[in-house]
Order: sequence, then C-alpha cells, then structure tokens
Amino acid sequence: NAGVTQTPKFQVLKTGQSMTLQCAQDMNHNSMYWYRQDPGMGLRLIYYSASEGTTDKGEVPNGYNVSRLNKREFSLRLESAAPSQTSVYFCASSHPGQGANEQFFGPGTRLTVL
Amino acid sequence: RKEVEQDPGPFNVPEGATVAFNCTYSNSASQSFFWYRQDCRKEPKLLMSVYSSGNEDGRFTAQLNRASQYISLLIRDSKLSDSATYLCVILGGSDYKLSFGAGTTVTVRA
Repeated sequence: NAGVTQTPKFQVLKTGQSMTLQCAQDMNHNSMYWYRQDPGMGLRLIYYSASEGTTDKGEVPNGYNVSRLNKREFSLRLESAAPSQTSVYFCASSHPGQGANEQFFGPGTRLTVL
Repeated sequence: RKEVEQDPGPFNVPEGATVAFNCTYSNSASQSFFWYRQDCRKEPKLLMSVYSSGNEDGRFTAQLNRASQYISLLIRDSKLSDSATYLCVILGGSDYKLSFGAGTTVTVRA
C-alpha cells in the first residue's frame, strides 16, 4: 500500500501562473482533505471532500478550487498563483467512524510563488 | 483567540529526561483529542488519541482536562528519536474537520 501520494513534491511558480496539485489514496477512504502549513501556524484546511461527489470549503478556500475525481483522487487547483500561496500543501484521507478519525497524510508539496 | 494553542518551545532535553507540555483549546464542545508527530520536512502522523481518563502508550502519557480545556503530553525516558514537533489536534463539532495547533518542538540531545 502506498497510502497517500502527492505530486509534485516541489514546484516554483510565477505570480499569475496556474497549476494543479494531485493527490491519490489507496486505502479506500471516503474522506479526503487539502491543508496548507505555514511557519508558526497550524495546518489550515483549504477544502475537504466527505465522500465521492461532494466537496466543501474549509477555513482558507480563497484562491483555490478542488475536484474529487473519484474515490481515490482529490486534486487542488491554483488558478492564478499569488506569493501568499507559498506554503507546504498536504493532502490527507480518513474513514470517518473508524477508530479515532485518524487522518493519513501524503508527503506534501512545497510550493513557492515568486 | 486561536482554536488550539501550543507553546512552540523548543524544549531541549537530555536523553533519559522527562518532558511535558500542554495544549489549550477554546471550543468547549470539542469531541476528540489527538497528538500527532511531525518530523522535520515530513508529514504529520498520529501519535496517540487522548481519552478522558488519560492513557499511556509506552513512554508517552496523554491527559485531558475538560474543565480547564487543555490536553497534555508527557514523554518519559526521552530518546534521540523523540526529537520532533508534536501537534495538538482537536476534533470540534463536525465529524470531518480537525483543528491543528502550530506544534511544540522537542529536541533530545545526547
């Protein structure tokens, strides 16, 4: 089992460029999440998908869009990147109701916007 | 006020020492509590859940104080491999959304 995978691992963009961060999980989890992590701050939820076919905004959704392509895949799109979006992005998945709602994280994407 | 607050540290301790730190939360309706561990430039991973009666997992002890709205983590007999950032994570009223603290950094020295 690969768990949660993310691509790319690193990315440098210029202001105004667009890109899509990819995430996939092979644990048959219903729920998937996108977070960003900035220095001195906790992980902040950007968007989440409770189940295939649904997506909802989290704490910091502005400037982002998401697509739950199928049960395995959940992508995050930056339509017009801004320097404030420089961050580490983590995708996570979980199966609500099981155990302690443990979330499993991907290795992260380090994004720099110049 | 932040939903989840932690002392960022760092806590620098020698091998074999005991280190403890707290996390406070603002939502009195919070349902579930966790400690996650994050190594440098890596993803967070669940360390342990925190139960109302307190719980241990080897050298790690977690406590919950609902009246004062904080949880704690104690590490006994610290190992070099315990060096990491420990994230306090709270599940609020929703089934799906977790709130993360910024983390407490622990460095164990030889």
